[in-house]
Amino acid sequence: EAGVAQSPRYKIIEKRQSVAFWCNPISGHATLYWYQQILGQGPKLLIQFQNNGVVDDSQLPKDRFSAERLKGVDSTLKIQPAKLEDSAVYLCASSLELGRKPLQETQYFGPGTRLLVL
Amino acid sequence: KNQVEQSPQSLIILEGKNCTLQCNYTVSPFSNLRWYKQDTGRGPVSLTIMTFSENTKSNGRYTATLDADTKQSSLHITASQLSDSASYICVVSGSARQLTFGSGTQLTVLP
Repeated sequence: EAGVAQSPRYKIIEKRQSVAFWCNPISGHATLYWYQQILGQGPKLLIQFQNNGVVDDSQLPKDRFSAERLKGVDSTLKIQPAKLEDSAVYLCASSLELGRKPLQETQYFGPGTRLLVL
Repeated sequence: KNQVEQSPQSLIILEGKNCTLQCNYTVSPFSNLRWYKQDTGRGPVSLTIMTFSENTKSNGRYTATLDADTKQSSLHITASQLSDSASYICVVSGSARQLTFGSGTQLTVLP
């Protein structure tokens, strides 16, 4: 079974520039998550999709961050404009479905995109 | 406020030794608790998951315990190997399946 794919793996940009990350979840997984992980900290949820609908985006800085999940499969996360404090690893995860048994809600993480804002 | 506190923040042990990592949480209501292992440069990988009624769960050399009364969990690693060097993250699921992540314990296993 193929895992969660993310690209690019690394990105270096200057502040005020724009950047986009792409995620392809495990086939058949209805739920998709985007996390921000700052060095030395645990992941922080940015947005959660169930199919192509947003379940939780309460911690997404909506003035600069946006995300979409077209057709309930792939997803993109965009930052525009980027700030120095956006330097972090952006993790995408997917799970089978919400609201079912905990085992089916196990999240499978991609390798992440490491962003450095200069 | 839901919180997950992990200790120690970092730990260095010699190969072959055992170690125990701690996780205290204040998430309520409680649904389940997971331990993840995150290798450097990779995404977290699930090790164990425990619901309210479970107080221990093993996965090879990893054994997790849960005391729902005191809201504490531990992850015990037996006969550590160099490949156990990683960050171990405790994640608690509460109402509406909201997840609260701990900051992780960075484990280094030395030869």
